[in-house]
Amino acid sequence: DAGVIQSPRHEVTEMGQEVTLRCKPISGHDYLFWYRQTMMRGLELLIYFNNNVPIDDSGMPEDRFSAKMPNASFSTLKIQPSEPRDSAVYFCASSSLRTAQETQYFGPGTRLLVL
Amino acid sequence: GQQLNQSPQSMFIQEGEDVSMNCTSSSIFNTWLWYKQDPGEGPVLLIALYKAGELTSNGRLTAQFGITRKDSFLNISASIPSDVGIYFCAGRDNYGQNFVFGPGTRLSVLP
Repeated sequence: DAGVIQSPRHEVTEMGQEVTLRCKPISGHDYLFWYRQTMMRGLELLIYFNNNVPIDDSGMPEDRFSAKMPNASFSTLKIQPSEPRDSAVYFCASSSLRTAQETQYFGPGTRLLVL
Repeated sequence: GQQLNQSPQSMFIQEGEDVSMNCTSSSIFNTWLWYKQDPGEGPVLLIALYKAGELTSNGRLTAQFGITRKDSFLNISASIPSDVGIYFCAGRDNYGQNFVFGPGTRLSVLP
């Protein structure tokens, strides 16, 4: 069974450019999470979806960030315009509450560098 | 809001030694997860705990759900070089729908 898939694995862009990160959750999982990881702030939850609907986006840093989940197998996190302080590793994770024992599985991450 | 603390922040041990680390919460959790993150990779789930007092093993790793439900412990026996990485705990209470993550414990194993 394939795990959480993220693309691209690495992204280098210039300040002001639009960046789109992609995620395919584990099939059958109804929760999808976007995290950002930096040395200074550790793992931060940005937004999560349940059944494709955004539930909590309070972690999204500002209006330059947006996330969508058009269907159960795909989600995007977009930064427009990007800034150097957005440089971080962005993780997607998915989980399911259909069993009583919930766990959360992470993708390999997208390493973003904004110059 | 909820916060998790992990102790120690980092540790250097000799290969073959046992390792203990813990995670404490300011509130009661009903689920604890332990992850390991290798450099350049995403966190990988090691052990999941769902009941207070539960003790679960995964190979050389053993984790416990604290009786108070405000803490959890991870032990690694007979450490080996590939145990190097950052270990994260994550917890969830009855009301939250997402997990809160600790800052991690960075483990280095000296040959």
